[in-house]
Amino acid sequence: DGGITQSPKYLFRKEGQNVTLSCEQNLNHDAMYWYRQDPGQGLRLIYYSQIVNDFQKGDIAEGYSVSREKKESFPLTVTSAQKNPTAFYLCASSIITDGQPQHFGDGTRLSIL
Amino acid sequence: EDQVTQSPEALRLQEGESSSLNCSYTVSGLRGLFWYRQDPGKGPEFLFTLYSAGEEKEKERLKATLTKKESFLHITAPKPEDSATYLCAVHSSGSRLTFGEGTQLTVNP
Repeated sequence: DGGITQSPKYLFRKEGQNVTLSCEQNLNHDAMYWYRQDPGQGLRLIYYSQIVNDFQKGDIAEGYSVSREKKESFPLTVTSAQKNPTAFYLCASSIITDGQPQHFGDGTRLSIL
Repeated sequence: EDQVTQSPEALRLQEGESSSLNCSYTVSGLRGLFWYRQDPGKGPEFLFTLYSAGEEKEKERLKATLTKKESFLHITAPKPEDSATYLCAVHSSGSRLTFGEGTQLTVNP
């Protein structure tokens, strides 16, 4: 079955620690995205990538970093500079054509220890 | 800047009680409007894409419609398993989507 796999499902971060969230897709989509979801705020775009080895900042990129070395993979690192990292993180992918929907993974919930 | 506003924030229905969710949008040039369903602790599940005013899409008890300023998600004779948060998003430029905050639907048996 084609889809998007996010891991781990739950993650805990200690003060001063960087953590990396994994996102893998086998849909052969060119574009991949990372969103943060907080209660009552909807989805906010962190980073996105339309092609391997290229990515752009979204609306709330500060304290986060990404890489896109393979078409299938788009890992997100939450750095110690992100002071409020507790949230539900969602990865998505899409075909790069006007009006095509994004398809989502089942998320990673990050909490602070 | 694109804006999407969903209403109501929360809606409680009795099983079989039909209703509609609203998504109002402001974009510079609409390339697509999307509806998603999200269950607790899960990622959004794609439901529909609408491209132009007057378009309608249906799936089981759900029907989505589109005008130049808003979209409606009509739920006919809902069942408890329709309980979820419904998200609306618009695509106007590049490959980015702008999401609304969602409507949390609860259907009581």
